[in-house]
Amino acid sequence: GESVGLHLPTLSVQEGDNSIINCAYSNSASDYFIWYKQESGKGPQFIIDIRSNMDKRQGQRVTVLLNKTVKHLSLQIAATQPGDSAVYFCAENVNSGYALNFGKGTSLLVTP
Amino acid sequence: EPEVTQTPSHQVTQMGQEVILRCVPISNHLYFYWYRQILGQKVEFLVSFYNNEISEKSEIFDDQFSVERPDGSNFTLKIRSTKLEDSAMYFCASSEMDRGPGYTFGSGTRLTVV
Repeated sequence: GESVGLHLPTLSVQEGDNSIINCAYSNSASDYFIWYKQESGKGPQFIIDIRSNMDKRQGQRVTVLLNKTVKHLSLQIAATQPGDSAVYFCAENVNSGYALNFGKGTSLLVTP
Repeated sequence: EPEVTQTPSHQVTQMGQEVILRCVPISNHLYFYWYRQILGQKVEFLVSFYNNEISEKSEIFDDQFSVERPDGSNFTLKIRSTKLEDSAMYFCASSEMDRGPGYTFGSGTRLTVV
């Protein structure tokens, strides 16, 4: 039968452009955040993380920005490539717990 | 690069049957987790495990679920009496430290309950 699931926001970008994926979190006690990439049929793959004592962290072609005032997290991907096409999830963790709370995900589609 | 390995990749079981999903975490990791993802939905936390005991569990992880580390390398999730709504991808993850960094996920086991 038909499965009912979340309709993911979709971001479509051209190869070579920069991508910005946004995430809002709800728990003001969250102090550790991770961005994951998930390709079809695979598990979440770690991209970059940031702790709440920082507001920016850079990796290779990726930057995460954290705005604790408005509880907002973003992932910037520079020079987006077709291999970046995937679903991107943000996840948050609260200091008192072990669980990662995942967001709903954004589907990134990179067109040549 | 070290990996979290999950077996089987796909399991089909009849409603009411018991299933055991297996995971081999990264060898020097001390914290182990199970998550699930129902088709088209977000990844949900089930349970975390450290020092041979459950450290945290979600509301989803009710009495029909159990976890075990039977030896020095395997970490298993048992579902005692499967229901149709247990159909999902089940991901095992491990981390070296408490709360990261990263949590490495396996590729998942797709459980289909019929």
